[in-house]
Amino acid sequence: DAGITQSPRYKITETGRQVTLMCHQTWSHSYMFWYRQDLGHGLRLIYYSAAADITDKGEVPDGYVVSRSKTENFPLTLESATRSQTSVYFCASSESATVYGYTFGSGTRLTVV
Amino acid sequence: DAKTTQPNSMESNEEEPVHLPCNHSTISGTDYIHWYRQLPSQGPEYVIHGLTSNVNNRMASLAIAEDRKSSTLILHRATLRDAAVYYCILIPAGTALIFGKGTTLSVSS
Repeated sequence: DAGITQSPRYKITETGRQVTLMCHQTWSHSYMFWYRQDLGHGLRLIYYSAAADITDKGEVPDGYVVSRSKTENFPLTLESATRSQTSVYFCASSESATVYGYTFGSGTRLTVV
Repeated sequence: DAKTTQPNSMESNEEEPVHLPCNHSTISGTDYIHWYRQLPSQGPEYVIHGLTSNVNNRMASLAIAEDRKSSTLILHRATLRDAAVYYCILIPAGTALIFGKGTTLSVSS
């Protein structure tokens, strides 16, 4: 199916564990983005990527690692999960960071216990 | 940072037009004006964007002031499904979408 998909939809993990959230888009958009959304903080940009092998930090990159070996995939890894990383994570893609609209995935709800 | 100012909340009645204002007095010439909305328990959804001229699409219209220091998102006939948080965002060249607090739109039947 065409679109942008995130997996898993829900994840519960323990403090200190590594967890990877997946994002896949079928349009071959150049740009991909990761956001987190928390009550009281709204949506915040974690990392973004302009193309394969090019990534940039957003507003809140600490504690996260990203990679982009293929244009269609942009995984987000929490190397050692903390309770403060409990959040809803949204992935997005766009042909441009400014000139075109972004399409967002349905989100991954991550709980760190 | 490119900043916008929006009312915290607005109310509308179903089937009436809604005008959502956004002030961006420090906008620069290359900043694009984007509007997104987020329905309850869903991800953000692109609505419309523009640079200098007014824009129309199937969802809404975007009216941009001549001096570009303000813009208005127009929903021509509000429905209950339009109840959401609406974000007006400026994106300077070389950066990405950064969300503010937005306007919470309530629609009554």
